[in-house]
Amino acid sequence: AQKITQTQPGMFVQEKEAVTLDCTYDTSDPSYGLFWYKQPSSGEMIFLIYQGSYDQQNATEGRYSLNFQKARKSANLVISASQLGDSAMYFCAMREGYSGNTPLVFGKGTRLSVIA
Amino acid sequence: EAGVAQSPRYKIIEKRQSVAFWCNPISGHATLYWYQQILGQGPKLLIQFQNNGVVDDSQLPKDRFSAERLKGVDSTLKIQPAKLEDSAVYLCASSLVNLAGYTDTQYFGPGTRLTVL
Repeated sequence: AQKITQTQPGMFVQEKEAVTLDCTYDTSDPSYGLFWYKQPSSGEMIFLIYQGSYDQQNATEGRYSLNFQKARKSANLVISASQLGDSAMYFCAMREGYSGNTPLVFGKGTRLSVIA
Repeated sequence: EAGVAQSPRYKIIEKRQSVAFWCNPISGHATLYWYQQILGQGPKLLIQFQNNGVVDDSQLPKDRFSAERLKGVDSTLKIQPAKLEDSAVYLCASSLVNLAGYTDTQYFGPGTRLTVL
């Protein structure tokens, strides 16, 4: 079974608008971490935001916020005020366990295109 | 602070040839990872090191892939002999081990794009 599911292969958003990228996950471990990475065409994976399973508040980092709904096992990324430079692939990933010595498991990604 | 460095950025080889990739992690990062990213997919872990010891190599095709991290700093990933299906981007990442002994967020290098003809 897929541990990370990203159902949107591609998304379009108008510049300055907000966009939500979906991510659902599957785990029976009570301790886990959820990550979002951005991969521009240059290929580098850029860390955006992290949410721990025990965190009470939704994570925010500048224009990025994570809408964490634990009961639904979803961890959607919200980008506010989209910019042309936000056009890239976005990957949701999960790490099970607390020690961090388990591997990151990635979804298949969502390609975001920001339109001027 | 310098990021994760990788070289080469691009490599084209014929099948059955050998190839090696190099990675230098962020200074002070004890944990180093090699991922394979096939076109249209998310990265998949090949091997994880902590210092110069292997933590997880369960997904490494050991009949053709090998990796080492001598002295616990930079690392080399080798493929010998290469197959067509090895065409992918090979990403290196590193992370700190924090004071509690837990591994922190992974930071990635620019990757090496391998094409096997």
